[in-house]
Amino acid sequence: NAGVTQTPKFRVLKTGQSMTLLCAQDMNHEYMYWYRQDPGMGLRLIHYSVGEGTTAKGEVPDGYNVSRLKKQNFLLGLESAAPSQTSVYFCASSYFSIQETQYFGPGTRLLVL
Amino acid sequence: SQQGEEDPQALSIQEGENATMNCSYKTSINNLQWYRQNSGRGLVHLILIRSNEREKHSGRLRVTLDTSKKSSSLLITASRAADTASYFCATDATGSARQLTFGSGTQLTVLP
Repeated sequence: NAGVTQTPKFRVLKTGQSMTLLCAQDMNHEYMYWYRQDPGMGLRLIHYSVGEGTTAKGEVPDGYNVSRLKKQNFLLGLESAAPSQTSVYFCASSYFSIQETQYFGPGTRLLVL
Repeated sequence: SQQGEEDPQALSIQEGENATMNCSYKTSINNLQWYRQNSGRGLVHLILIRSNEREKHSGRLRVTLDTSKKSSSLLITASRAADTASYFCATDATGSARQLTFGSGTQLTVLP
């Protein structure tokens, strides 16, 4: 099993550009999450999904949109990137609840100039 | 807002020594988890301790939870250079919006 994979690994954007980060999991997990990690800080939840076709806002949702059209995929979109969105983005998944063990992808490093 | 805060922020020890890091949190929780993050990698789950448990072991890891003090500790015994990583606690507060809240982490360096 590949576990949780993320695409791309690294990306540079100019302010105002858009992009989509892709997360895929092959563990048949119901729950999926997008976090961002900034220097010296822990992870902050952006959006999450409790099942195919569902999405919900986390702690820092502004400037991001998500979609969960297929159970195994969770997409994070930036419609108009800003320098404040420079960060490392992690996707995670868990089987049946947010409170249980989460499995993380390797991360996507995003630089917005 | 960050529910869990780790202490110390950084810890440097010699191989073979024990490493202890602490996590304090603010509100009642359902459970507390510890994760490890190697440089440039994703987080890896280490251990989960529920609010009705006081201590849990997994290999060289020992986790304690004191709900009266709203604190937890992670002890790594007989440390190895491969234990060098950042360690995060994550809590889910009772009655909260459904999410795990991560602390800012302890950076552990184990010197060979």
